[in-house]
Amino acid sequence: EPEVTQTPSHQVTQMGQEVILRCVPISNHLYFYWYRQILGQKVEFLVSFYNNEISEKSEIFDDQFSVERPDGSNFTLKIRSTKLEDSAMYFCASSERTETYEQYFGPGTRLTVT
Amino acid sequence: AQKVTQAQTEISVVEKEDVTLDCVYETRDTTYYLFWYKQPPSGELVFLIRRNSFDEQNEISGRYSWNFQKSTSSFNFTITASQVVDSAVYFCALIGGYNKLIFGAGTRLAVHP
Repeated sequence: EPEVTQTPSHQVTQMGQEVILRCVPISNHLYFYWYRQILGQKVEFLVSFYNNEISEKSEIFDDQFSVERPDGSNFTLKIRSTKLEDSAMYFCASSERTETYEQYFGPGTRLTVT
Repeated sequence: AQKVTQAQTEISVVEKEDVTLDCVYETRDTTYYLFWYKQPPSGELVFLIRRNSFDEQNEISGRYSWNFQKSTSSFNFTITASQVVDSAVYFCALIGGYNKLIFGAGTRLAVHP
């Protein structure tokens, strides 16, 4: 069964460093998303991406964040200058088409900022 | 504003008990979709069900059942004859605008042998 994959599973970085989180969505899916979950809290929407551009972003997704689909398979989330409060689990998700609305999530990348 | 409320923070049951997880939502959209996801201790988010606002039929899948009531804006989830493997955090979610999922705070279910 096709699945969303994410790398790395765990990333430790120092405050102020740039990180890139990588995702490979399900191959025939057209809509891509990033969510984050601070430990013990609910899952929060960051950004949605369709047709090579951002469809919607939350207030969390400020200028420190960016997303890119550099090739036909990868979808990346970059944080330019990490802060302690960026420590969280970051989930990538994809969906086939907007009418379907079913989003399938990757296993997540745990980001620890020290 | 769109919002999902899961008032039960934690539920603890003994194996084989039935358990219902509550979900109340708010939305002004006439067409919307509701979801349940399971997050086991390993951390991934597992899709369980999607329900659209036009379909109020209850759904049953094995030991899982869902009760959608538009009149009370609720979408409750029942596990019948719970098992230890059902122990997880369960999230109810609502689609709002451009497919973004709005999650509730989650209910942590602990099933004890």
